[in-house]
Amino acid sequence: AQSVAQPEDQVNVAEGNPLTVKCTYSVSGNPYLFWYVQYPNRGLQFLLKYITGDNLVKGSYGFEAEFNKSQTSFHLKKPSALVSDSALYFCAVSDSRAAGNKLTFGGGTRVLVKP
Amino acid sequence: EAQVTQNPRYLITVTGKKLTVTCSQNMNHEYMSWYRQDPGLGLRQIYYSMNVEVTDKGDVPEGYKVSRKEKRNFPLILESPSPNQTSLYFCASSLSYQPSSYNSPLHFGNGTRLTVT
Repeated sequence: AQSVAQPEDQVNVAEGNPLTVKCTYSVSGNPYLFWYVQYPNRGLQFLLKYITGDNLVKGSYGFEAEFNKSQTSFHLKKPSALVSDSALYFCAVSDSRAAGNKLTFGGGTRVLVKP
Repeated sequence: EAQVTQNPRYLITVTGKKLTVTCSQNMNHEYMSWYRQDPGLGLRQIYYSMNVEVTDKGDVPEGYKVSRKEKRNFPLILESPSPNQTSLYFCASSLSYQPSSYNSPLHFGNGTRLTVT
């Protein structure tokens, strides 16, 4: 069975400071990892994904994530946060052995960037 | 504009009154899926479809039905809604159902907030 955990319900950061949103996962095969962002009253938007290759993945809006196999983590990072980055962020995992594009989502982390 | 369109955006209904939430995508995507979002639980998959006439259960299928008669449409049907189905529902689609594919990221609709009293 596949699972994903986002240990923080909310992350507060000052504008211009680095932003990190944590994610850990559990799969039986190889992990395919995704980050999505949700703005108020909108659906989720894809940010980035890790399938294979370079452990550091760069995505939309200046976000990046680092895949760490030994720690089973895929933390989302942004070097300098903007107020407009305030949103709900979801980590998701799919197991290489799972059928049907089954994505398991974490509970979400709300990011609040203060001016 | 490429999009996934859900209707209605908001729906209030009573226990037992059948309802349908429509979902349509204009990207010729093979894969479509329904999720429900509840606070602290993230998104949980209800049903998915890998192509026309091919549907399968997700993690929480009880109380829901789907159909995929056309590639672009994937309606969610609640035959007899109950209060525990009060939730925010999202339809999503992708070009490929393979998570490892370049075309696998999901495109989401804007959601349907359902309240069952």
